Amino acid sequence: DTGVSQNPRHKITKRGQNVTFRCDPISEHNRLYWYRQTLGQGPEFLTYFQNEAQLEKSRLLSDRFSAERPKGSFSTLEIQRTEQGDSAMYLCASRTTGSGTEAFFGQGTRLTVV
Amino acid sequence: QQPVQSPQAVILREGEDAVINCSSSKALYSVHWYRQKHGEAPVFLMILLKGGEQKGHDKISASFNEKKQQSSLYLTASQLSYSGTYFCGSEGAGGTSYGKLTFGQGTILTVHP
Repeated sequence: DTGVSQNPRHKITKRGQNVTFRCDPISEHNRLYWYRQTLGQGPEFLTYFQNEAQLEKSRLLSDRFSAERPKGSFSTLEIQRTEQGDSAMYLCASRTTGSGTEAFFGQGTRLTVV
Repeated sequence: QQPVQSPQAVILREGEDAVINCSSSKALYSVHWYRQKHGEAPVFLMILLKGGEQKGHDKISASFNEKKQQSSLYLTASQLSYSGTYFCGSEGAGGTSYGKLTFGQGTILTVHP
């Protein structure tokens, strides 16, 4: 068990560029979550998967954001045509299915759009 | 909808107690509590399932009132290491809400010597 791994840890991009982040969950965890966190705020729910199925996507999320989890293992979060307002920490978490299971967070990817 | 936490910030001296509250407008299946230190990922503290149980971990405990859809985190005899931002996470009780984990805006706890 090596924990939840996120790559890259930091990303600086120019406005208008596309970026993609990767999350490798703990191997036996079939639920995977993406959150966005800005300074002084709680993790804002973006989307979550159970195995390869994307069960819900935040209605606050624009169409520029898309996430995939092929084969129910790692997941990617892509942001197209980045804007300065997308600058934030993007956190991934995973957990097993079942009652009362804790979520484990990765270290996050810090995105800066310049 | 994300849960609502109160207070937004607490300042304590070492050894003092604190209570952080979390409430939801939707029926809850479980409540999760996490602590996050600056620049680090949130770290799990405890989880409470519906049924009104109370859990404890060292000098940190929590309760969950299913009927009121509220949870409280109790920190007793606070230590310097307790400083950080505390988040409650709620998991809905039905439909696609089951499994979806949303977090409150956080409570900043600062413990001074």
